[in-house]
Amino acid sequence: AQSVSQHNHHVILSEAASLELGCNYSYGGTVNLFWYVQYPGQHLQLLLKYFSGDPLVKGIKGFEAEFIKSKFSFNLRKPSVQWSDTAEYFCAVNGGGADGLTFGKGTHLIIQP
Amino acid sequence: GAGVSQTPSNKVTEKGKYVELRCDPISGHTALYWYRQSLGQGPEFLIYFQGTGAADDSGLPNDRFFAVRPEGSVSTLKIQRTERGDSAVYLCASSANREETQYFGPGTRLLVL
Repeated sequence: AQSVSQHNHHVILSEAASLELGCNYSYGGTVNLFWYVQYPGQHLQLLLKYFSGDPLVKGIKGFEAEFIKSKFSFNLRKPSVQWSDTAEYFCAVNGGGADGLTFGKGTHLIIQP
Repeated sequence: GAGVSQTPSNKVTEKGKYVELRCDPISGHTALYWYRQSLGQGPEFLIYFQGTGAADDSGLPNDRFFAVRPEGSVSTLKIQRTERGDSAVYLCASSANREETQYFGPGTRLLVL
């Protein structure tokens, strides 16, 4: 079975700080990888995804993620965060013919102005 | 265009009662998914529909849970003999097909007293 591990459940940063949220998955075969974000009072929306090709993926709002197959990782990064990035971030994986996404527990990110 | 909608947004019921949760997917999306999100956890896959048929119901926790999609559009998740442990946010997602990005609805928050 697939599993996803997000290393930090709560992260607090100041505006303009750099961000890296860790994500590791357990499945050894071909995978599709996703980062979803949930802003306060809103529903889950896709930040970025990796299916194949360039392992460095650019998403919306200046976010990017790098797929490192040897480390089973798909870490999310942003060079300079803004107060509006305060949200819950979920890493998800889909592989091995599974139909649904397997999510991590999420990281609650708070950006202090 | 309109996104995925779910009704009701909140549902309070008593232990042992029957509930139905509705999902309206994005028009034209053939794939529909149900997830359950408990407090402090990521969404957990329940069931996947391709068209009218439940292609994968491996995530349904037990036989009290059932879902239908009779015309290949709207879906209803049905929970019989509700238990306090069923309290969670039930999320619906749809995608153009199985290989495409899943778009999530706002969820139905179910509270079983």
